[in-house]
Amino acid sequence: DAGVIQSPRHEVTEMGQEVTLRCKPISGHDYLFWYRQTMMRGLELLIYFNNNVPIDDSGMPEDRFSAKMPNASFSTLKIQPSEPRDSAVYFCASSLGPMNTEAFFGQGTRLTVV
Amino acid sequence: QQQVKQSPQSLIVQKGGISIINCAYENTAFDYFPWYQQFPGKGPALLIAIRPDVSEKKEGRFTISFNKSAKQFSLHIMDSQPGDSATYFCAASKDGGATNKLIFGTGTLLAVQP
Repeated sequence: DAGVIQSPRHEVTEMGQEVTLRCKPISGHDYLFWYRQTMMRGLELLIYFNNNVPIDDSGMPEDRFSAKMPNASFSTLKIQPSEPRDSAVYFCASSLGPMNTEAFFGQGTRLTVV
Repeated sequence: QQQVKQSPQSLIVQKGGISIINCAYENTAFDYFPWYQQFPGKGPALLIAIRPDVSEKKEGRFTISFNKSAKQFSLHIMDSQPGDSATYFCAASKDGGATNKLIFGTGTLLAVQP
């Protein structure tokens, strides 16, 4: 397996534009996580899915953020409208189960909102 | 509220030296303490983990020391090598190491000088 695949690797957009980040989890993994990484706050869990169903989105900062998982092999994180303070590295991770398993991270999407 | 506090923010060590990174936690319900290693341009990857029933775990040059009463744990890298240069994150989780409940520290940027 190629691991967790994220696209794009880098995204530069203007304030107010819509941004969509994409993730393909490892095949067979039932859990998918979206994290945001910043210097100030480190790694923060935004939302996670179990079997394509959103379970906990309490980490999503604002209504401008939304995430979907239409099937077991694809998820998106959308920001609309984007703001400069959204600039960060966004990671997708997946795991085989919730307990006693490792979370495998993708390479991340570096988002810059100007 | 930051539940896992990590220090130092950055660390420079000479080749062959010992790198020490410290973390402190607040929630006594945490029962799983992993360390993740992140190389530039890559996602974090699990390095080593410990549960509170032991005070130390060693894997090669990497050792976790755990002090339950002080609610602290640390990563020691013996004989540090330039290839160890990366960002290290401590984390904590409860409910048996649930990946959906991982709380990460803010990270330590380690530079090992040749």
